[in-house]
Amino acid sequence: QKEVEQNSGPLSVPEGAIASLNCTYSDRGSQSFFWYRQYSGKSPELIMFIYSNGDKEDGRFTAQLNKASQYVSLLIRDSQPSDSATYLCAGAGWAGNMLTFGGGTRLMVKP
Amino acid sequence: DTEVTQTPKHLVMGMTNKKSLKCEQHMGHRAMYWYKQKAKKPPELMFVYSYEKLSINESVPSRFSPECPNSSLLNLHLHALQPEDSALYLCASSQALAGGGETQYFGPGTRLLVL
Repeated sequence: QKEVEQNSGPLSVPEGAIASLNCTYSDRGSQSFFWYRQYSGKSPELIMFIYSNGDKEDGRFTAQLNKASQYVSLLIRDSQPSDSATYLCAGAGWAGNMLTFGGGTRLMVKP
Repeated sequence: DTEVTQTPKHLVMGMTNKKSLKCEQHMGHRAMYWYKQKAKKPPELMFVYSYEKLSINESVPSRFSPECPNSSLLNLHLHALQPEDSALYLCASSQALAGGGETQYFGPGTRLLVL
């Protein structure tokens, strides 16, 4: 069974700190990975996607992918209370366009 | 523009009612999706239309019926639902490129309550 695993949290960090969100996946055929942010009662909002090994930076966000270890992470620098949300990691393979979601990590940024 | 729209935003229906959820995108995407999301759970894929061809999650009960009138529109017809079907219903779309795995953009969702 293809799985994407995340720690459910909550992960609590102080304002201004770096939040590190982690995700592991079991399907070595997964090629693309996506991080979505979801506020309570709202729909998922795309934060970043990553296809290649290494780091990808966009503003305060950095996605990291290590295909050998089957590990994806999202770093949020200078965390703000407005970053408090559930972060969903999702993987997709070459065939078709199905996403496999992890269970999500709840992030709490305390002022 | 990465906008996917959904109507209605909220829906309350009885178990004997028939209702429909609607989704629209104007990004030229050729794949559209219906997801169901329960509280504190990730989205669960229900249906995919890719180039108007339907793929179904076999676990979805027949009281949910998708329809794709054209590549920009996606409907979800609801009939004889159960209270456990109460959830956030999300529509998403993507380009449906040959290699797959491209970004899906979600609409705001319809909050459904079945009484």
